[in-house]
Amino acid sequence: DGGITQSPKYLFRKEGQNVTLSCEQNLNHDAMYWYRQDPGQGLRLIYYSQIVNDFQKGDIAEGYSVSREKKESFPLTVTSAQKNPTAFYLCATQKEGGRFTDTQYFGPGTRLTVL
Amino acid sequence: GDSVTQMEGPVTLSEEAFLTINCTYTATGYPSLFWYVQYPGEGLQLLLKATKADDKGSNKGFEATYRKETTSFHLEKGSVQVSDSAVYFCALRYTGGFKTIFGAGTRLFVKA
Repeated sequence: DGGITQSPKYLFRKEGQNVTLSCEQNLNHDAMYWYRQDPGQGLRLIYYSQIVNDFQKGDIAEGYSVSREKKESFPLTVTSAQKNPTAFYLCATQKEGGRFTDTQYFGPGTRLTVL
Repeated sequence: GDSVTQMEGPVTLSEEAFLTINCTYTATGYPSLFWYVQYPGEGLQLLLKATKADDKGSNKGFEATYRKETTSFHLEKGSVQVSDSAVYFCALRYTGGFKTIFGAGTRLFVKA
């Protein structure tokens, strides 16, 4: 069954802790993205990766880190430096990062709450 | 810079009513335009897209036409159902295509 898997669906962490959100895809897409969604707002880009072992900062990268060691996986770490991490995090993929006509496909999201 | 502006919600309609959700954009060049839908607690799903001026995207009874002269991509549906209740996002991506710019989203409630 092809698709994008994000885990866990709900995540709770204490202030000062780092936490890693998982994103896995079996669509064989080259490009992967992380977005943050806050209530009543659109999506803001955190990081993106066009190919394995390469990634770029998006508009709100501060306090986040990523890796892209495998084509299928693009984990996001929310560090203690992120001042307001409570949000809904969405992972997305695209067949080729540079094709502006291509559709982005989204995972089901992870809701992170800082206690 | 490039941006997408959507009408503020929530929009509340009765079943079988006509729906319009306005979307205008600012962009250099000629972007592709998209409408995504988000159901509660889920990720976004592509609803429709248009990749050049005067193209009409359509899916599940929804339509939107890429209007370059008015820089608009309004979403319409002739008869909404309760199951259409969701948040709708307008988005653009331009040539070079690494980033997608999203509007703030418009929440739609459809009453039986």
